[in-house]
Amino acid sequence: QPVLTQPPSASASLGASVTLTCTLSSGYSNYKVDWYQQRPGKGPRFVMRVGTGGIVGSKGDGIPDRFSVLGSGLNRYLTIKNIQEEDESDYHCGADHGSGSRVFGGGTKLTVL
Amino acid sequence: EVQLVESGGGLVQPGGSLRLSCAASGFTFSSYEMNWVRQAPGKGLEWVSYISSSGSTIYYADSVKGRFTISRDNAKNSLYLQMNSLRAEDTAVYYCARDRGASVMDYWGQGTLVTVSS
Repeated sequence: QPVLTQPPSASASLGASVTLTCTLSSGYSNYKVDWYQQRPGKGPRFVMRVGTGGIVGSKGDGIPDRFSVLGSGLNRYLTIKNIQEEDESDYHCGADHGSGSRVFGGGTKLTVL
Repeated sequence: EVQLVESGGGLVQPGGSLRLSCAASGFTFSSYEMNWVRQAPGKGLEWVSYISSSGSTIYYADSVKGRFTISRDNAKNSLYLQMNSLRAEDTAVYYCARDRGASVMDYWGQGTLVTVSS
């Protein structure tokens, strides 16, 4: 099954942009990845799905236009523009591996400076 | 408004059992596949189990296979997770998550904490 790798932390200043990366293990370049936002003390919230062609399907409910995705090779990116205080969260990526199973990355903690 | 509310967590001794519930509202529960996902303290997410809308298809992670049982009652808009032979490594916040189709988990509950300790 694929392994999803995320840097443990990232930071960005208020109003700036940041790109978070989720890297699939070798051999899984055709996999789509789901991005989730998890605010402190809350359950995850679906952001959007990304493949090598970009967004797949629709964004999660209430996800602002400031959030966008790209995919290239083994990497799946989530970009947040004009960062707001409420964007400070853990961001998880996950992939469907068939037969109902999912795998997740370790998550990236985004700090807004 | 879609709502998923988990309950049933708590402190249990190793080898013990616990039954989690997830009450769904704001959507037609019987039309959706559902999942349980857990998160150990300070760790990432781990998928636990999946159940189809009718309950006829079920999958488990290898780490819980043979010990956990997922089920649902569409008349009661409820999802369940029966957890037996609990181990310390099962300690986690357990979330129920709706699958909107194409394996997208679009709504999650707030979670319920299970602590396995003597």
